[in-house]
Amino acid sequence: GEDVEQSLFLSVREGDSSVINCTYTDSSSTYLYWYKQEPGAGLQLLTYIFSNMDMKQDQRLTVLLNKKDKHLSLRIADTQTGDSAIYFCAESTDYKLSFGAGTTVTVRA
Amino acid sequence: DTEVTQTPKHLVMGMTNKKSLKCEQHMGHRAMYWYKQKAKKPPELMFVYSYEKLSINESVPSRFSPECPNSSLLNLHLHALQPEDSALYLCASSQQQGRGNYGYTFGSGTRLTVV
Repeated sequence: GEDVEQSLFLSVREGDSSVINCTYTDSSSTYLYWYKQEPGAGLQLLTYIFSNMDMKQDQRLTVLLNKKDKHLSLRIADTQTGDSAIYFCAESTDYKLSFGAGTTVTVRA
Repeated sequence: DTEVTQTPKHLVMGMTNKKSLKCEQHMGHRAMYWYKQKAKKPPELMFVYSYEKLSINESVPSRFSPECPNSSLLNLHLHALQPEDSALYLCASSQQQGRGNYGYTFGSGTRLTVV
């Protein structure tokens, strides 16, 4: 995902909050997405945000969007062992989703 | 039904074999996609079908041949593959092709091994 950048690794203690950051380049993106991928599995859509929003909250997930800086973040509250996975940020383009490289989140006890 | 179903889940094939991957959705989505994903890498787009017509081919080798028999089905025909084609093949669908989609739905993928 050359147009979308993410940090590659995050280690977090169980019960703490995780914050995954992403920057994108296409200012025309209408929707921005967070996908979760567990080992050996497909992609699960976690949440998305419309480009005219600053924030979206869904249970333990909070998405923040700074459109001026083209910065997107995903906060997971009360991180659990089941949250260990790769998290992909993605932006919508004219005909596809453009993905970041993925952030591997490891939750330690 | 809010799922994209892919079969088979796992496939091992020889370099001289011909096989097909299948994808099905019943959400009324009119755009369907094939993505290829190597281990610990992001998915990469291969093909897009819009209203059952091939819209985008991301310079994919001809040994991969997509087909969209109807609005619910998407196939990927495989022939004379190489070991480096081993990957997770993901099918996805969305209401339509374009920026205004918020509902990209992915299947669980077919894990392909070429021997």
